[in-house]
Amino acid sequence: DTGVSQDPRHKITKRGQNVTFRCDPISEHNRLYWYRQTLGQGPEFLTYFQNEAQLEKSRLLSDRFSAERPKGSFSTLEIQRTEQGDSAMYLCASSLDSWGSTDTQYFGPGTRLTVL
Amino acid sequence: TQLLEQSPQFLSIQEGENLTVYCNSSSVFSSLQWYRQEPGEGPVLLVTVVTGGEVKKLKRLTFQFGDARKDSSLHITAAQPGDTGLYLCAGEGVGSQGNLIFGKGTKLSVKP
Repeated sequence: DTGVSQDPRHKITKRGQNVTFRCDPISEHNRLYWYRQTLGQGPEFLTYFQNEAQLEKSRLLSDRFSAERPKGSFSTLEIQRTEQGDSAMYLCASSLDSWGSTDTQYFGPGTRLTVL
Repeated sequence: TQLLEQSPQFLSIQEGENLTVYCNSSSVFSSLQWYRQEPGEGPVLLVTVVTGGEVKKLKRLTFQFGDARKDSSLHITAAQPGDTGLYLCAGEGVGSQGNLIFGKGTKLSVKP
């Protein structure tokens, strides 16, 4: 078990470009979460998947953001027409949802996005 | 809207001192997790507390969940420079689908 991995670790892009991030969760985990963290703040929830189904989306997730988790394994987060306000650390977390136990989330190292 | 207030925001202490970080809310949480985060990295889980009044110890770190499950504290005994980092508390709301609500964090600096 190598933990949650994210790729790329850093991304610099120009305003208006599209970017896509990938997250590979811990292999047996059925839940996958995306969070965004800006400087001086704690992570803020964006969206989450139970297997391949996207079950909840935050109001922070504008129409320019889309997330997928085909086949219930890895996930991608795409941002279209990036804006400078999208600059942040994008964190992925995974957990094993099992009946009667607490859903403990394990985080990846994050993707640092800088929009110029 | 559920919020978690962490205090203090910044803490700078000498090696060997004790410290306590607080995490407070007006809302009830079904569980609360503490993470430590290094610059440029993701949060690393330290502990999960679930039961009101629960106390968990992890070496020199002691975590407590309030009786009403609205607050928590992290106490570090004899802090070491290796304890330096951002400490985040995160709560799972009652009836939520599992998404965590985070505090803003406490940035701890332990000087040798």
